[in-house]
Amino acid sequence: QVQLQESGPGLVKPSDTLSLTCSVSGASISSDYWSWFRQPPGKGLEWVGYVYHSGSTNYNPFLRSRVTISVDTSKNQFSLKLSSVTAADTAVYYCARLNKNWDFFDYWGQGTLVTVSS
Amino acid sequence: SYVLTQPPSVSVAPGKTARITCGGDNIGSKSVHWYQQKPGQAPVLVIYYHNDRPSGIPERFSGSSSGNTATLTISRVEGGDEADYYCQVWDSTNDQPVFGGGTKLTVL
Repeated sequence: QVQLQESGPGLVKPSDTLSLTCSVSGASISSDYWSWFRQPPGKGLEWVGYVYHSGSTNYNPFLRSRVTISVDTSKNQFSLKLSSVTAADTAVYYCARLNKNWDFFDYWGQGTLVTVSS
Repeated sequence: SYVLTQPPSVSVAPGKTARITCGGDNIGSKSVHWYQQKPGQAPVLVIYYHNDRPSGIPERFSGSSSGNTATLTISRVEGGDEADYYCQVWDSTNDQPVFGGGTKLTVL
């Protein structure tokens, strides 16, 4: 069974860089696409971007200038970095597997709340 | 960019049928996927490729799509079906997912 688990600081200061890691079990990160989402409190889902095991990426155009998603095949993990954060980046962040055969997201992490505050 | 429109809320009595719509330009020509998100939980895929169900999803959940509207139908609604539901397609031009704004299903 495929499982994903997000980890990282729950509190980030304004203008700092938000860093999260998603650990994958039950699947090889070298065989699929992997994605990050976020969901501000009380709002809908926002796609952040995806990474392929080769390292190729695609990002939400609204976040592209601040986002980096990378993969670590040796640890079966992938990571999110979001720079210059503001209070507007406060959200629950989810990692998910992208099934590229049909372009849907079939496995999700439980999510982690990141609050941007001084 | 491609836009998906969902009603903010739908209410239904237990045992009845709930229909949640997702509007988009010629959405009938696209693969539509649906997710259920209960409060405090991650989204769960309930329908993919129009009307396929992942393992563990009850047969009460079904999907259809034609023209400019896709519909998620939940038969014999139960209290446990109360959740937010999101539709999703893939924007091939920009190689990125597009989500509807979500519909809150309330079981009366």
